Amino acid sequence: SQTIHQWPATLVQPVGSPLSLECTVEGTSNPNLYWYRQAAGRGLQLLFYSVGIGQISSEVPQNLSASRPQDRQFILSSKKLLLSDSGFYLCAWKFSLPNSPLHFGNGTRLTVT
Amino acid sequence: AQTVTQSQPEMSVQEAETVTLSCTYDTSENNYYLFWYKQPPSRQMILVIRQEAYKQQNATENRFSVNFQKAAKSFSLKISDSQLGDTAMYFCAFILIQGAQKLVFGQGTRLTINP
Repeated sequence: SQTIHQWPATLVQPVGSPLSLECTVEGTSNPNLYWYRQAAGRGLQLLFYSVGIGQISSEVPQNLSASRPQDRQFILSSKKLLLSDSGFYLCAWKFSLPNSPLHFGNGTRLTVT
Repeated sequence: AQTVTQSQPEMSVQEAETVTLSCTYDTSENNYYLFWYKQPPSRQMILVIRQEAYKQQNATENRFSVNFQKAAKSFSLKISDSQLGDTAMYFCAFILIQGAQKLVFGQGTRLTINP
């Protein structure tokens, strides 16, 4: 069976510091990978998605970037965090079939101080 | 661009009652899939139910069922015999069969089941 790991669970960072959130998937190959952000317990905003190594699609221009250095690894980064980057970040994966649902990690609560 | 709208930010019902959460979506495409996800206080996202747009029959999963009205672009979720554990945020989501493989989510409905 497939599992997804996302870490850290909680992070407090000062404004201007770098960020690296990591997500890995086990038990499958070539998954579609996604980063979502959820602000204030509301809707999910798609930040980035990837359908393969080296293929990153950005949905929202912002202070963040994503990379997929390995098939089952997805990293969310920032060189300098802003206060507005605070939120709950969710990594997710799915099979490439359209009817395949998303499977989410446990999320990272990021607080920028 | 595809959009998903959930017009009820919050709902509250008594345990054992039936509740319906609304969702509408906007697309010019004909082939897509729809999903409902649940996010309990633990914040873990859990798939509740999914519907293929080409199927006329409404999907059901135990106490959860949908009312899919393709012409109206409506996809409501009905929870029967509601339980305290159903308390959660509920999100409607949409994905096209062709094109970018990304799910678009609504803003969510916060459902509280009262004892």
